[in-house]
Amino acid sequence: DAGVTQSPTHLIKTRGQQVTLRCSPKSGHDTVSWYQQALGQGPQFIFQYYEEEERQRGNFPDRFSGHQFPNYSSELNVNALLLGDSALYLCASSLGGFVAQHFGDGTRLSIL
Amino acid sequence: KQEVTQIPAALSVPEGENLVLNCSFTDSAIYNLQWFRQDPGKGLTSLLLIQSSQREQTSGRLNASLDKSSGRSTLYIAASQPGDSATYLCAVWNRDDKIIFGKGTRLHILP
Repeated sequence: DAGVTQSPTHLIKTRGQQVTLRCSPKSGHDTVSWYQQALGQGPQFIFQYYEEEERQRGNFPDRFSGHQFPNYSSELNVNALLLGDSALYLCASSLGGFVAQHFGDGTRLSIL
Repeated sequence: KQEVTQIPAALSVPEGENLVLNCSFTDSAIYNLQWFRQDPGKGLTSLLLIQSSQREQTSGRLNASLDKSSGRSTLYIAASQPGDSATYLCAVWNRDDKIIFGKGTRLHILP
């Protein structure tokens, strides 16, 4: 049974570019949450998707947007990249809300 | 605004010792508190979840306690092993259904 898978594992972009990160949830899960983890920091909640809609959102600008597909997979899009967007982006899936979340190993995004 | 603090930021102890990691939060009106483990370059693994009505949870060598009134939680690890080396993160769920993480404690168990 595959767990949460994220792609790509590493990504290098330059300032001003746009990026799309992808997440496939654990089988049977219907909720996907995205987190940003800067080096040496705890994860910060970006948003959560359920039934293809954004259900909760943290304190992130509109440059951060997402999508959930009918098969429950999800994408995180970041526009107009800034140096400060360099971080590990984690995806977590669950069967509703934040209970019993399973995390992927993340995408390491570096902005030059 | 909820803030979560973890002390110490890093800790090294010899194998076999018992140890305690601390987590404090500023707003006691939490829904749940959860402890996670994160290995280098990896995602998070849930260790223990304590609901607001509970005072502690145990799993194997791990015991987590919660004192909402004082805004504190501790994670107790008994008989530490080198495989316990990792970063341990504390997270609280507010009643507005937002989850807030601490910065973590980096634990190194010396063989």
